Amino acid sequence: DTAVSQTPKYLVTQMGNDKSIKCEQNLGHDTMYWYKQDSKKFLKIMFSYNNKELIINETVPNRFSPKSPDKAHLNLHINSLELGDSAVYFCASSHRGQIYGYTFGSGTRLTVV
Amino acid sequence: GENVEQHPSTLSVQEGDSAVIKCTYSDSASNYFPWYKQELGKGPQLIIDIRSNVGEKKDQRIAVTLNKTAKHFSLHITETQPEDSAVYFCAATDVETSYDKVIFGPGTSLSVIP
Repeated sequence: DTAVSQTPKYLVTQMGNDKSIKCEQNLGHDTMYWYKQDSKKFLKIMFSYNNKELIINETVPNRFSPKSPDKAHLNLHINSLELGDSAVYFCASSHRGQIYGYTFGSGTRLTVV
Repeated sequence: GENVEQHPSTLSVQEGDSAVIKCTYSDSASNYFPWYKQELGKGPQLIIDIRSNVGEKKDQRIAVTLNKTAKHFSLHITETQPEDSAVYFCAATDVETSYDKVIFGPGTSLSVIP
């Protein structure tokens, strides 16, 4: 199926651990994003890559490090997890210029205990 | 940078009635205004969008209007159905210079009562 797929869907981990979330899109899009959705449903952009190049890097703790091995994949690695990192993380992709808007993945619910 | 406000935060309507969600944006350079619908446990899904060279766009029961002078845009849903119940997000961006940095409003939780 054509889609943006994220793994894992749920992630429960202890404070201080390091974890990664993976994202893949097979839509042929050239731009990928990470968004964080907090408990009040607010969506905030974190990072964006266009053809493997970092183009948006918002004010995010440097414990968060994105990596794009190719334009179909964008992973998010988080070091030294904190309670406040608990949220739903969405990957999205698009054609540059928002020709058809974003296609979002189904999200990764991260719970730090 | 861009800031998008959205009202109301919650909205309940009877099935068959209309629902209207209003948004304002701050950056006059913004030229692309999408609307997303997020159902429980899912990612947001684009339902309609409008670009700054158009004042109104309609797709079946959904319409969006844009007033660039006032920096307002609105979503109108007619003949609402229970499956329209979801969180709706408006958003704005300048696709030419902002590297597709789409800024979302805080969302409106719509409940359609059968």
